Amino acid sequence: DAKTTQPPSMDCAEGRAANLPCNHSTISGNEYVYWYRQIHSQGPQYIIHGLKNNETNEMASLIITEDRKSSTLILPHATLRDTAVYYCIVPGAGSYQLTFGKGTKLSVIP
Amino acid sequence: NAGVTQTPKFQVLKTGQSMTLQCAQDMNHNSMYWYRQDPGMGLRLIYYSASEGTTDKGEVPNGYNVSRLNKREFSLRLESAAPSQTSVYFCATRAGGSVETQYFGPGTRLLVL
Repeated sequence: DAKTTQPPSMDCAEGRAANLPCNHSTISGNEYVYWYRQIHSQGPQYIIHGLKNNETNEMASLIITEDRKSSTLILPHATLRDTAVYYCIVPGAGSYQLTFGKGTKLSVIP
Repeated sequence: NAGVTQTPKFQVLKTGQSMTLQCAQDMNHNSMYWYRQDPGMGLRLIYYSASEGTTDKGEVPNGYNVSRLNKREFSLRLESAAPSQTSVYFCATRAGGSVETQYFGPGTRLLVL
């Protein structure tokens, strides 16, 4: 798996966009970037994934830089329920395993 | 449609006791996984099963055994529990193919005294 680096914590005001960065400078050409989140005491929840193009779904947007060495997860209008630990994961191509680091603890503040 | 279910939700064991954690899914997924999460840490893979009838070790398999009973069920057994196995255990499933989207159960909280 490519190593990922995320800030340990971030704050965001309720209603504002939350931008969570991730560095994955050793990513190879056919490896996807995945984002999961874990709300306190619950199982992790899949958010979004991408290869090279920007992606959007009902939960979030994923922006991947052109050189693919970093990405940003965007929650467009953060709510208190978005307070969670967010994990950026790059599994090896063909790997069946996800490696969870410590992620970024996002606190949405009223 | 319950997704991924785990039993029990919470368990207290004494050192040396054995127990089996159960996981079941109704998503018709091929692959199933067992992770553990220690306080303040990310998840670590214990065992996984790519398909019915196969199992493989993950990052931290020592002290555990698994059984892929059928496509729906994947159990994790602690033969002789140790305090170091105090953790939250999560089961997950994956549909298969090239996309690594996994779906997680609610977890089993295990305390070994």
